[in-house]
Amino acid sequence: DTEVTQTPKHLVMGMTNKKSLKCEQHMGHRAMYWYKQKAKKPPELMFVYSYEKLSINESVPSRFSPECPNSSLLNLHLHALQPEDSALYLCASTPTGTGVKPQHFGDGTRLSIL
Amino acid sequence: DAKTTQPPSMDCAEGRAANLPCNHSTISGNEYVYWYRQIHSQGPQYIIHGLKNNETNEMASLIITEDRKSSTLILPHATLRDTAVYYCIVRVNNAGGTSYGKLTFGQGTILTVHP
Repeated sequence: DTEVTQTPKHLVMGMTNKKSLKCEQHMGHRAMYWYKQKAKKPPELMFVYSYEKLSINESVPSRFSPECPNSSLLNLHLHALQPEDSALYLCASTPTGTGVKPQHFGDGTRLSIL
Repeated sequence: DAKTTQPPSMDCAEGRAANLPCNHSTISGNEYVYWYRQIHSQGPQYIIHGLKNNETNEMASLIITEDRKSSTLILPHATLRDTAVYYCIVRVNNAGGTSYGKLTFGQGTILTVHP
């Protein structure tokens, strides 16, 4: 069991669909992250939110649209995705502030684009 | 953040110690060494971190060389459930007003624990 909850666990969508991935944590963490992980590859950072504001966008295509409506919730809105976007999407969170802050990960949403 | 080099795969017998090496020869003085692991179909899990002293927690021990150019993660009594991909990452801590930390994962080491 993880303290970061991601839904859905699996998602299959067509290239013209619009869908959203959801991530929730109740640890009071004010930094939240989206990562993308292709099969047999390491996770790659996509976005970082700090205090509900977008702090890092790693040159992610605009068909991925993140949103942080409150301190516990992080969404990733998907539109017009391509087959190469099929991957495991991981959410993570950390406390803010200085010092050592390990990231807590959810178990991801496995996305398949038809 | 400094780059790390890890062997692509290792085997270990159940009950024996698993020693996973990591090379980080370009590490800076303010960069910590972190270890995460990812069990199949799960998200990465934090294991341990250190700056220059050896560290131990309930999961593992971390040995960092005196020059800090390499480190070893030790799982003292490996079990089948320790089969996973182990990632060694070096990065600065949240500091200087930055309220978040960025992780850059390398390829990691696939550890297989066999009976």
